[in-house]
Amino acid sequence: GAGVSQTPSNKVTEKGKYVELRCDPISGHTALYWYRQSLGQGPEFLIYFQGTGAADDSGLPNDRFFAVRPEGSVSTLKIQRTERGDSAVYLCASSLVAGGNEQFFGPGTRLTVL
Amino acid sequence: QQPVQSPQAVILREGEDAVINCSSSKALYSVHWYRQKHGEAPVFLMILLKGGEQKGHEKISASFNEKKQQSSLYLTASQLSYSGTYFCGTGGGSGNTGKLIFGQGTTLQVKP
Repeated sequence: GAGVSQTPSNKVTEKGKYVELRCDPISGHTALYWYRQSLGQGPEFLIYFQGTGAADDSGLPNDRFFAVRPEGSVSTLKIQRTERGDSAVYLCASSLVAGGNEQFFGPGTRLTVL
Repeated sequence: QQPVQSPQAVILREGEDAVINCSSSKALYSVHWYRQKHGEAPVFLMILLKGGEQKGHEKISASFNEKKQQSSLYLTASQLSYSGTYFCGTGGGSGNTGKLIFGQGTTLQVKP
């Protein structure tokens, strides 16, 4: 498939545990974005990468959240010491370059923290 | 600051028209429109850029008033497939940022 893929599609974890969410962007897309979406709300910006570097991480809620994109392709969103309030659908998107280009979204990872 | 969308919800009959509005309190470089069906990812519809450039699907039309920091999405001759939640995402005034701030969404239901 040529679209954005995310794994796992569902993740259930216990409060206090560590989780990693993976995003594989469209081939050739240099910009990659992470959003999270709660029920009935629009996507909430977390962070975006242009290439390997985080260009804007102003949306990360606190230092329990961290994301990497070491080779400029696949990205991993890492959440430490998960809390029940972290439960949401985590969406990844990619675009050719950042700024003024359409972002293509993946199917999301539904995270449930018990 | 999150853009404000109006109306919150719309119910149409097939073939009717609708307008969805998106208003921001900040200067905008771009406005992006997406449609999301329940349990699915948002799907790109259109992007409008400062200066007048537009990219999007042929059957979708939209406007961007840079001065008023407002955008409107026009859905004409609606079809059942148009049902879903519509989001506008706004890009900041610098032009080279990928960060989008999304509105709270407008739910559209098209009935036969």
